[in-house]
Amino acid sequence: DQQVKQNSPSLSVQEGRISILNCDYTNSMFDYFLWYKKYPAEGPTFLISISSIKDKNEDGRFTVFLNKSAKHLSLHIVPSQPGDSAVYFCAALAYTGGFKTIFGAGTRLFVKA
Amino acid sequence: GAGVSQSPSNKVTEKGKDVELRCDPISGHTALYWYRQSLGQGLEFLIYFQGNSAPDKSGLPSDRFSAERTGGSVSTLTIQRTQQEDSAVYLCASSLTAVLGRGGEQYFGPGTRLTVT
Repeated sequence: DQQVKQNSPSLSVQEGRISILNCDYTNSMFDYFLWYKKYPAEGPTFLISISSIKDKNEDGRFTVFLNKSAKHLSLHIVPSQPGDSAVYFCAALAYTGGFKTIFGAGTRLFVKA
Repeated sequence: GAGVSQSPSNKVTEKGKDVELRCDPISGHTALYWYRQSLGQGLEFLIYFQGNSAPDKSGLPSDRFSAERTGGSVSTLTIQRTQQEDSAVYLCASSLTAVLGRGGEQYFGPGTRLTVT
């Protein structure tokens, strides 16, 4: 059972427009969420995170929104740039007697020039 | 400074053979994680080391998988009697701490692509 779901395998956006990447989760015990970006043949790189006690975190062109009641978070990139084209992974953390990060399957973003 | 490094970058092995994958975390990072990514899948958690504590092995898919972390630094993931379904990219990550929001963000290596024929 997937605890973190990214239902859109891909997204195509025009340069300069907003990219919205969505993520849903099922475990209400998750208390920290992160987004990672991955280019081909490289490991994922940390992008932005949000604690469950917040509903928004912003870092430059990247903003993450968290809706706990809906168990949904989204990553907004504005304005989108061709260099943003990558796979974006949503991840969630919960301390359950250990420390485990659960990743979604990823969404491939294409930003067209 | 140097990031997380993994070796080999690619490994092709025959079914039934054992393989060892190596991870060198960022110096000073106390937490180390192994994941794998199968074709078209997300990252699957395998195992987590934090300092000298017993590792969290809850993600290991079978007893053919094991991992060690020597001296709190380098880690080796061993897969015994490899099967074709073990084919995946194996990613290692490290973080400064395991405290959420305080250095707990993970830095990933480039991965080892394992192909079992």
